[in-house]
Amino acid sequence: QVQLVESGGGVVQPGRSLRLSCAASGFTFSNYGMHWVRQAPGKGLEWVALISHHGTRKDYADSVKGRFSISRDSSENTLYLQMDSLRPDDTAVYYCAKVRNPNSIDWDFDCWGQGTLVTVSS
Amino acid sequence: EIVLTQSPATLSLSPGERATLSCRASQSVNIYLAWYQQRPGQAPRLLIYDASNRATGIPARFSGSGSGTDFTLTISSLEPEDFAVYYCQQRYIWPPITFGQGTRLEIK
Repeated sequence: QVQLVESGGGVVQPGRSLRLSCAASGFTFSNYGMHWVRQAPGKGLEWVALISHHGTRKDYADSVKGRFSISRDSSENTLYLQMDSLRPDDTAVYYCAKVRNPNSIDWDFDCWGQGTLVTVSS
Repeated sequence: EIVLTQSPATLSLSPGERATLSCRASQSVNIYLAWYQQRPGQAPRLLIYDASNRATGIPARFSGSGSGTDFTLTISSLEPEDFAVYYCQQRYIWPPITFGQGTRLEIK
């Protein structure tokens, strides 16, 4: 079955870096766009970044632009989020999410990982 | 950026009752609106896409309607497992993709 498993979260000091991973299985990873969505404690959902199925199109929320970088390795069926210059307001559960349709930009999400918690604190 | 406003913030109902949740967009999103359910401690789950299409495996008691700026998620007869937080999300104009702030459906 389709499965997404995030890893790499933890506690990090402000200004430091962290890289999240999302291991995908159960579908042809290279055919699907992928996204990162985060949720601060007790808050709603905030879209963070997207990467197209072929990896050539990337977009970011203004709140992370210039600090975060999304990438994918289709040989490893893995999605990444490199997070630099972390701030306390980046504290959140980070979810990776798979888009519903292959080879498309229909950005709604039919599968989500369980999330990984990133805490930015000194 | 398209802002999605959900109402009410909290809805208190009993099992078996009908729930009506609203999502209003700051400008037209055509039909490109989705609804998600999030239970405590779990990831969101896609319920409805393109305003009115049920996602795979979603029970028929969930239905969506609307177009343009006004959308509704209806749960025809609430089951105990339906008490959760519901989010709408638009994909018509991006970036950014935006979510509503959520409606908490609680047991009365």
